[in-house]
Amino acid sequence: NAGVTQTPKFQVLKTGQSMTLQCAQDMNHEYMSWYRQDPGMGLRLIHYSVGAGITDQGEVPNGYNVSRSTTEDFPLRLLSAAPSQTSVYFCASKDQGVSYEQYFGPGTRLTVT
Amino acid sequence: AQSVTQLDSQVPVFEEAPVELRCNYSSSVSVYLFWYVQYPNQGLQLLLKYLSGSTLVKGINGFEAEFNKSQTSFHLRKPSVHISDTAEYFCAVTQRDDKIIFGKGTRLHILP
Repeated sequence: NAGVTQTPKFQVLKTGQSMTLQCAQDMNHEYMSWYRQDPGMGLRLIHYSVGAGITDQGEVPNGYNVSRSTTEDFPLRLLSAAPSQTSVYFCASKDQGVSYEQYFGPGTRLTVT
Repeated sequence: AQSVTQLDSQVPVFEEAPVELRCNYSSSVSVYLFWYVQYPNQGLQLLLKYLSGSTLVKGINGFEAEFNKSQTSFHLRKPSVHISDTAEYFCAVTQRDDKIIFGKGTRLHILP
């Protein structure tokens, strides 16, 4: 199993540009989520999904869109990047069964200039 | 709504000394609790978790945590730290079939 994969690892955007951060998992997890990590702020939940076709907002959803057309993929879209979106982004998937453990991808470091 | 408070943003401790990282949560229903560790420039990995049963939970690398329902706490402890324990530690809470919320993290600094 590859686990949770994220692409790209690094990205630099100019203000106003759009892009999609990719996330995929091969563990057949129904639950997937996106977090952003900023110094002193911990991990803040952006959006999450409890299954294909179902998404919901987390703590800091503004400026981000998500969709979940398949169980495996959960892309995060920035429609018009802003410097405040400079951060490290982590995708994660969760075993909804007994363990409830969340598995994290390696992260994407995004800089918006 | 769920929330997690990690009471210390940074904890310095001498090598081979004991350490406790504090975590309090708020939730009106039964919860599942986790501690994750993030080593410098790496992703997050699970240290330990409490789902049910014994309130003392043992994890990897000699860490353990105690679930205290009356105090709504889930403090992380290690009897003797090593330089390799230098990392940021995150407490997290979830309910069944619900989102996972993280605390702001505690940076553990090991002093020689």
